[in-house]
Amino acid sequence: AAGVIQSPRHLIKEKRETATLKCYPIPRHDTVYWYQQGPGQDPQFLISFYEKMQSDKGSIPDRFSAQQFSDYHSELNMSSLELGDSALYFCASSRGGTGDTEAFFGQGTRLTVV
Amino acid sequence: GQSLEQPSEVTAVEGAIVQINCTYQTSGFYGLSWYQQHDGGAPTFLSYNALDGLEETGRFSSFLSRSDSYGYLLLQELQMKDSASYFCAVSSSGSARQLTFGSGTQLTVLP
Repeated sequence: AAGVIQSPRHLIKEKRETATLKCYPIPRHDTVYWYQQGPGQDPQFLISFYEKMQSDKGSIPDRFSAQQFSDYHSELNMSSLELGDSALYFCASSRGGTGDTEAFFGQGTRLTVV
Repeated sequence: GQSLEQPSEVTAVEGAIVQINCTYQTSGFYGLSWYQQHDGGAPTFLSYNALDGLEETGRFSSFLSRSDSYGYLLLQELQMKDSASYFCAVSSSGSARQLTFGSGTQLTVLP
């Protein structure tokens, strides 16, 4: 069965650079979520999209932005990277537009800022 | 806002039963989910409770008491592969499209 695909799996950037993370949800899933997980931390909700519109916003820095495209894939854009942005970034998708259904997580993108 | 509390660590032996508790405070509540995460891996959905009571899925069961703002995950017949972090997460009615995770419980299963 198709799963959530994230790319790249690993990314190394320097401070003040920009990064773009991509997420391809499971087919027919209409909701995409982005989470940030620091070492030893729980996943922190960043932002979500439902039917290509931003639906909820969490602790996403102003330096980050995201969008969902017509084919439902989503991109997380991160600018002016800081050392503290080093983390695992997960994308998840679900069906039905509500958080009360199972969310399927991708394998994550490990971002290292040096 | 939302806050969740769960034990940071639990240790048990193979074949045993372990219960991981979760208490939550939220301004709105849709349901309580449980996720498993192995080191470096993605969180994997285990169960979801929207109503009071017990949900059973194989060796895993989850319980919810909305009046007590409390739930637990019960793992039976523990196996070594169950060693992982377990997160409870709430969906709040005010923002049903996001999950707020607890800080996670590291389960170690000993032989």
